[in-house]
Amino acid sequence: VEMEESGGSVVHPGGSLRLSCAASGIQFGSYAMSWVRQAPGQGPEWVATISGTGFNTYYADFVRGRFTVSRDNSKNTLYLQMNSLRAGDTATYYCANNNWNDMSYFNHWGPGTPVTVSS
Amino acid sequence: DIQMTQSPSTLSASVGDRVTITCRASQTISGFLAWYQQKPGKAPKLLIYKASNIEDGVPSRFSGSGSGTDFTLTISSLQPEDFATYYCQHYDNYQWTFGQGTRVEIK
Repeated sequence: VEMEESGGSVVHPGGSLRLSCAASGIQFGSYAMSWVRQAPGQGPEWVATISGTGFNTYYADFVRGRFTVSRDNSKNTLYLQMNSLRAGDTATYYCANNNWNDMSYFNHWGPGTPVTVSS
Repeated sequence: DIQMTQSPSTLSASVGDRVTITCRASQTISGFLAWYQQKPGKAPKLLIYKASNIEDGVPSRFSGSGSGTDFTLTISSLQPEDFATYYCQHYDNYQWTFGQGTRVEIK
């Protein structure tokens, strides 16, 4: 199983960014997928999760209304649209698949993509 | 919201030592408790899921236990490659929460 994030960049406060995560070696549409971020020197922080079908999405309170998670199962790709970015959103963003039966933990992680929000 | 508190924050140990890391929940939680290992510049790696189940490929010196509010990760004989930061993670009602981490360093 491999996952690779892309799209991280330096962006001004208030700006937008779209992250992508390409997955391989997994029946992509069978798994919920998540974004987890980690600010420098801090622990991981869950951001968002989307069900295998894409019908259900879940967000951490601090991103609800600003970030949107989506997926294209035909392309085995997960996305995170980030709007109204703030300095506090600066972090490495990881994609990960949730375990198959109850989504309670994260099996496989990508190497991450860095996002810096700075003027 | 349920808070997950790990202790200690930093642990100094030697190769061969038995190491125990604790994760305490702010209230009684289900057994949806996982442990991850993270090395500098790398993504977290799953070690233990549902409190006591070891992930495929993880060495048997790693074990997890606990219930209620208190959970532990034990490394039975610390190896050089085990010096890293360890995180617990809880799941409840479509919310996933991580502990703040325990750094295991060389004594």
